[in-house]
Amino acid sequence: AQSVTQPDIHITVSEGASLELRCNYSYGATPYLFWYVQSPGQGLQLLLKYFSGDTLVQGIKGFEAEFKRSQSSFNLRKPSVHWSDAAEYFCAVGSYEDYKLSFGAGTTVTVRA
Amino acid sequence: NAGVTQTPKFQVLKTGQSMTLQCAQDMNHNSMYWYRQDPGMGLRLIYYSASEGTTDKGEVPNGYNVSRLNKREFSLRLESAAPSQTSVYFCASSEGSGTDTQYFGPGTRLTVL
Repeated sequence: AQSVTQPDIHITVSEGASLELRCNYSYGATPYLFWYVQSPGQGLQLLLKYFSGDTLVQGIKGFEAEFKRSQSSFNLRKPSVHWSDAAEYFCAVGSYEDYKLSFGAGTTVTVRA
Repeated sequence: NAGVTQTPKFQVLKTGQSMTLQCAQDMNHNSMYWYRQDPGMGLRLIYYSASEGTTDKGEVPNGYNVSRLNKREFSLRLESAAPSQTSVYFCASSEGSGTDTQYFGPGTRLTVL
């Protein structure tokens, strides 16, 4: 069965500083990996996804993620955080064999001025 | 193009009452999903419908029923609400399998007293 772990429940970062959110997955075959963002009171929006090819994936809002098969990780990064990046971020894994996505518990990002 | 819509946005029930959450998508997607979101637990899949005419249980189906009314609509019913069902409910849709991006509605915040 596939699963996702997001080790950090809450991260606080200063505006303009860099951000990295960790995601570790467990899946036997090649995973499809997703990062979603949820702004307060909103639904989830896709930031980026990865299946194959270049291990560095670019997404919307200046985010990128790097797939490392040897570490079973898919960490999300942003070089310079804006106040509007304050939100909850979810990593998810999916596969061809199943219709379901498995989500991590989420990381809440607070941006301080 | 509204994407995924959900009604109602907010609902308060008393224990034992019933209600139906409505979801509709206008993207001609085959698959639809119902999730619940609870603090610290991420999103957990309640039921999903891989295609029109089919429904399957997810991770936490107890106390819920679903109906895939047609390709556009997928409803979630609570027959006898319990306080443990207090949560935020999200509907999502995708073209097909777990490799496809899921598009989420804005959510329904349900409180059961």
